[in-house]
Amino acid sequence: DTAVSQTPKYLVTQMGNDKSIKCEQNLGHDTMYWYKQDSKKFLKIMFSYNNKELIINETVPNRFSPKSPDKAHLNLHINSLELGDSAVYFCASSQQQGRDGYTFGSGTRLTVV
Amino acid sequence: GNSVTQMEGPVTLSEEAFLTINCTYTATGYPSLFWYVQYPGEGLQLLLKATKADDKGSNKGFEATYRKETTSFHLEKGSVQVSDSAVYFCALTASNDYKLSFGAGTTVTVRA
Repeated sequence: DTAVSQTPKYLVTQMGNDKSIKCEQNLGHDTMYWYKQDSKKFLKIMFSYNNKELIINETVPNRFSPKSPDKAHLNLHINSLELGDSAVYFCASSQQQGRDGYTFGSGTRLTVV
Repeated sequence: GNSVTQMEGPVTLSEEAFLTINCTYTATGYPSLFWYVQYPGEGLQLLLKATKADDKGSNKGFEATYRKETTSFHLEKGSVQVSDSAVYFCALTASNDYKLSFGAGTTVTVRA
């Protein structure tokens, strides 16, 4: 009965590869997000979708492409992976603008070698 | 823009000590304020929240009061335990924004 689940939990891959991270929420929320946490624990938003519509697209390399097939799913595809992409990626969801809080997944630790 | 500033760590305490982590914010309108906690190797959990001025959020012995006059939301706990060792994040979402903006995080280590 996990509220926000993302897979895989760990991902180790070589530079230049393409990879995807999947996220699903069963809370009935209409807004989903991708955040990146760097090695210093700093959290930065990447993308947000509201009812399958992209509403936040921060300054992120266009190698990163989110896809929301429905409002319960938000996947992140990364092309041509680079060493600097190594980080923990968190998916989250909220009801509308999240004034009652966001619910986060447990994270995907991506290591590019 | 909207932003959150929280005290830098790391903070190291002995068990049963008093913990305070300062957090101040800049935002337009009336933001909702949050404290999130990240235990080692885990994701982010909502610890407590406050959605309007003078609200006090509380959970697991932690408290924080939304102070509009000082634009602050300081986290306190009267007697910490080893299990409280974690990274604590202050965050806000503004009324005109879908983004949850985080502070830099404060690493707290409690020694037995």
